[in-house]
Amino acid sequence: GENVEQHPSTLSVQEGDSAVIKCTYSDSASNYFPWYKQELGKGPQLIIDIRSNVGEKKDQRIAVTLNKTAKHFSLHITETQPEDSAVYFCAASRAYNTNAGKSTFGDGTTLTVKP
Amino acid sequence: NAGVTQTPKFQVLKTGQSMTLQCAQDMNHEYMSWYRQDPGMGLRLIHYSVGAGITDQGEVPNGYNVSRSTTEDFPLRLLSAAPSQTSVYFCASSRDRASNQPQHFGDGTRLSIL
Repeated sequence: GENVEQHPSTLSVQEGDSAVIKCTYSDSASNYFPWYKQELGKGPQLIIDIRSNVGEKKDQRIAVTLNKTAKHFSLHITETQPEDSAVYFCAASRAYNTNAGKSTFGDGTTLTVKP
Repeated sequence: NAGVTQTPKFQVLKTGQSMTLQCAQDMNHEYMSWYRQDPGMGLRLIHYSVGAGITDQGEVPNGYNVSRSTTEDFPLRLLSAAPSQTSVYFCASSRDRASNQPQHFGDGTRLSIL
């Protein structure tokens, strides 16, 4: 099955700096890679996703890059703000086929943005 | 829209008791799923459903049952609670049946088994 590794487990940055979180996956057939943000006491929130036919996707201050050859993808947050502090999860799956529905999640990265 | 609503928010059970965790969504989403989250770990899929009347097992299905009689509701049943089932449980839904990936999560049920 799929195995997703996420690094680092904790990340502390100064407000205004950039933050990068990296995930690697093992299943070369995985084709969908979402990122979730989870605030304390809340459920995860989908913040951005990328499919395997795309190398990069941006949405304001966040971006995701995908390297299919190396089987890794990364979340980039620029100009970090204190409200970006949360736990971030990556996931990988074979979406859009009969085995769909079985996302594998990374173990999460706790991001702290210091004012 | 309320989104995905989970009840109860907190529950304490004794070993061997049974209970049902409720999940409802008002977005007419076909795909719904249940995850458990343990400290320092990512989410693990318990069961999922691609539509009313259709359910399937995820990564950690043992000890749990589900049913999907309506599009809106997807309850999770613990048959005989065990301390290993102490966890935070999240229900999720997706508008995109083809992708079948969770897009909207509820705020979770925090379950302790004594």
